[in-house]
Amino acid sequence: NAGVTQTPKFQVLKTGQSMTLQCAQDMNHEYMSWYRQDPGMGLRLIHYSVGAGITDQGEVPNGYNVSRSTTEDFPLRLLSAAPSQTSVYFCASSKPQGTENYGYTFGSGTRLTVV
Amino acid sequence: AQTVTQSQPEMSVQEAETVTLSCTYDTSESDYYLFWYKQPPSRQMILVIRQEAYKQQNATENRFSVNFQKAAKSFSLKISDSQLGDAAMYFCAYRRTGNQFYFGTGTSLTVIP
Repeated sequence: NAGVTQTPKFQVLKTGQSMTLQCAQDMNHEYMSWYRQDPGMGLRLIHYSVGAGITDQGEVPNGYNVSRSTTEDFPLRLLSAAPSQTSVYFCASSKPQGTENYGYTFGSGTRLTVV
Repeated sequence: AQTVTQSQPEMSVQEAETVTLSCTYDTSESDYYLFWYKQPPSRQMILVIRQEAYKQQNATENRFSVNFQKAAKSFSLKISDSQLGDAAMYFCAYRRTGNQFYFGTGTSLTVIP
């Protein structure tokens, strides 16, 4: 099925470890983004991209890196995991405004625990 | 800065009744888009309904409708004939020109049988 594929679904890391959350979409969406969801805080934007080769920081970028070498893929890297990064992470993609289906399509989320 | 406020952390409704979830937002833009997303216990984010700011007519999707008050910067969601499957966290979202989305903190809806 077409959509946003996000892996892994669950991950436990030790403090200081690094890892990459994978995100891929097959809808030819230009806009992709990463959010973290914490209780009582809604979804907060980490990084986003408006197209291949273009990325920018969101509200809470510290401790995370992204790259966008292709339209399809937008991985999120945790450089040195900290307990404060324990959260649920969502990848989302969309078409630009003014086109059909300009709402977000979300991945299924990754529950990350840093111990 | 754009902010989205959902002032009701929790709401409950009797099955088959109607419930309204509130959302307000702050913006200086005139052209933007508003959304309601549903997140059931499965964690999947599901688009419920969307509204373009330039449209005066309120959006409707089956049992879901919105009350969009542009001047008041208000975007409430009405769920009619509530069903057990409507129990979820609901997020209001704003999309500005330039593509960024902003989300509220969510309202947890309980449906009482």
